[in-house]
Amino acid sequence: AQSVTQLGSHVSVSEGALVLLRCNYSSSVPPYLFWYVQYPNQGLQLLLKYTSAATLVKGINGFEAEFKKSETSFHLTKPSAHMSDAAEYFCAVRGTGNQFYFGTGTSLTVIP
Amino acid sequence: DTGVSQNPRHKITKRGQNVTFRCDPISEHNRLYWYRQTLGQGPEFLTYFQNEAQLEKSRLLSDRFSAERPKGSFSTLEIQRTEQGDSAMYLCASMRQGEGMGEKLFFGSGTQLSVL
Repeated sequence: AQSVTQLGSHVSVSEGALVLLRCNYSSSVPPYLFWYVQYPNQGLQLLLKYTSAATLVKGINGFEAEFKKSETSFHLTKPSAHMSDAAEYFCAVRGTGNQFYFGTGTSLTVIP
Repeated sequence: DTGVSQNPRHKITKRGQNVTFRCDPISEHNRLYWYRQTLGQGPEFLTYFQNEAQLEKSRLLSDRFSAERPKGSFSTLEIQRTEQGDSAMYLCASMRQGEGMGEKLFFGSGTQLSVL
């Protein structure tokens, strides 16, 4: 079975500081992993995806994530937070079927 | 590409009433998903269609819930005899299957259901 766990339901960072949002996965097969972002009153949008091509994945808006098999992690980072990054972030894993399993989300607050 | 459209955006109903939501996916997307999201939680899978065929349903989907995608285009999700526990955001997502396991989902803005 596939699942993801997001550590930290709320993260606050200062503008310009490093953003680190944690995601650990559980999968019996090589996983396909995703990060989605949800802005208020909007649908979820894909930030980036890991499909085994490269362990360091670059996404939109300066975000990137590194797949670490030894740690079963897929943490999301951004070197310098911007006010516009304030949103809810969801890690997801695709199952062996056609389901996508989402984590409980991390709410990012950026402090000016 | 006009994105995934969901209607209505908000629905308030009384317990015991039936409600129906509509989702219009991106036109060339053959796969359509329904998810439910409650406050502080991530989206929970309900069901999905490939074209007009409903291929999988979650155990979360009680017999009061029914979904259709009659012509493989738009889909409807009906909840009969609504309960207060049905209050949630109902999300629709679509994607074009066939590009491998890395296909991405495109989400609509959701329908917020409040059962009084």
